[in-house]
Amino acid sequence: GAVVSQHPSWVICKSGTSVKIECRSLDFQATTMFWYRQFPKQSLMLMATSNEGSKATYEQGVEKDKFLINHASLTLSTLTVTSAHPEDSSFYICSIQRGTYEQYFGPGTRLTVT
Amino acid sequence: QQPVQSPQAVILREGEDAVINCSSSKALYSVHWYRQKHGEAPVFLMILLKGGEQKGHEKISASFNEKKQQSSLYLTASQLSYSGTYFCGTEINFGNEKLTFGTGTRLTIIP
Repeated sequence: GAVVSQHPSWVICKSGTSVKIECRSLDFQATTMFWYRQFPKQSLMLMATSNEGSKATYEQGVEKDKFLINHASLTLSTLTVTSAHPEDSSFYICSIQRGTYEQYFGPGTRLTVT
Repeated sequence: QQPVQSPQAVILREGEDAVINCSSSKALYSVHWYRQKHGEAPVFLMILLKGGEQKGHEKISASFNEKKQQSSLYLTASQLSYSGTYFCGTEINFGNEKLTFGTGTRLTIIP
């Protein structure tokens, strides 16, 4: 199956700083990647759809100016959490869709904002 | 709106069976099932498509009732490795690709 990596696996930052999370598709050229956020003991919530070479599509309620997504190549999408606050602390997971149906998830990045 | 799963949590002894349900308020094209271990990414289990057959492999199978907009995941003779949180992911239209995940069901298997 497709292998998806994320970097870093965890990060602790101070309130007000920005954090960049990378999502890489290691063996598949992904024109579309998805970014999810998961709070403790809750479900995965889709934040945005990252499209290679074009602007990301954000879900309702997700601030596009706060969560900047760049899908510069077919194997890399980045999510930057700008001016992070403690309420942004969460588990961020990316996924790619290979073929028609199955989504492959990255290992996730745990963000803690102090 | 997020699909609702039931039960929210269940504890079973090894070897017992479990059924996890996923109910949507919207008409669905497909239902995906994932299992997530604590602190890890979700792992794909199977997908059911509108008009498709009931799927399964080994001791895990699932069904999809399009009219009722529901899907069920069946775990038979559960093993310790089945422990985790199960999510259904629903897709409204073919090619839409976006998945809306259900509320989750935490399954704990004890020896």
